[in-house]
Amino acid sequence: EPEVTQTPSHQVTQMGQEVILRCVPISNHLYFYWYRQILGQKVEFLVSFYNNEISEKSEIFDDQFSVERPDGSNFTLKIRSTKLEDSAMYFCASTVGGQGPYEQYFGPGTRLTVT
Amino acid sequence: AQSVAQPEDQVNVAEGNPLTVKCTYSVSGNPYLFWYVQYPNRGLQFLLKYITGDNLVKGSYGFEAEFNKSQTSFHLKKPSALVSDSALYFCAVRASGGYQKVTFGTGTKLQVIP
Repeated sequence: EPEVTQTPSHQVTQMGQEVILRCVPISNHLYFYWYRQILGQKVEFLVSFYNNEISEKSEIFDDQFSVERPDGSNFTLKIRSTKLEDSAMYFCASTVGGQGPYEQYFGPGTRLTVT
Repeated sequence: AQSVAQPEDQVNVAEGNPLTVKCTYSVSGNPYLFWYVQYPNRGLQFLLKYITGDNLVKGSYGFEAEFNKSQTSFHLKKPSALVSDSALYFCAVRASGGYQKVTFGTGTKLQVIP
């Protein structure tokens, strides 16, 4: 069964550093998402991406964040200058379609620890 | 704005007993409703969804959920709990009509006691 993969599984970085989290969505999916889950809290939507542009973003997704699909398979989330409060589990997800009732398929997550 | 409430942080149930995990939602227009399960150190796995039609939807691993429009609820159920069902369960909602953002509840930890 195809699945979403994410690398690395755990990233430790110092405050102020840039990090790039990588995801490989399911190959025939067209819509891509990033969510984050701060320890013990709910899963929060960050951004959705379709046709090489952001289609929706939350208030969390400020200028420190950016997303990119650099090639035909990868989908990345960049945090330009990390803060302590960026420490969380980051999940990538993908769906085959956008406007219909499509369930999202999630990767295993990247645990980001900012020290 | 759309929102999901899962009023119970934890639900304990004895193995073999029926289980219910509660969820209520708020959304403009018709909702798409989802249940996901998260095992330790894993991503979220899709269980089931409600789109339209029958109020009782069946999903993976014997789970089902009942949509109640008047009560704006979408409770997750299983007739007979297994120890392996112990996990974190998230209810989620999305508005129909083009919006892609999915809003999740805070999650309910299900503990099935042998």
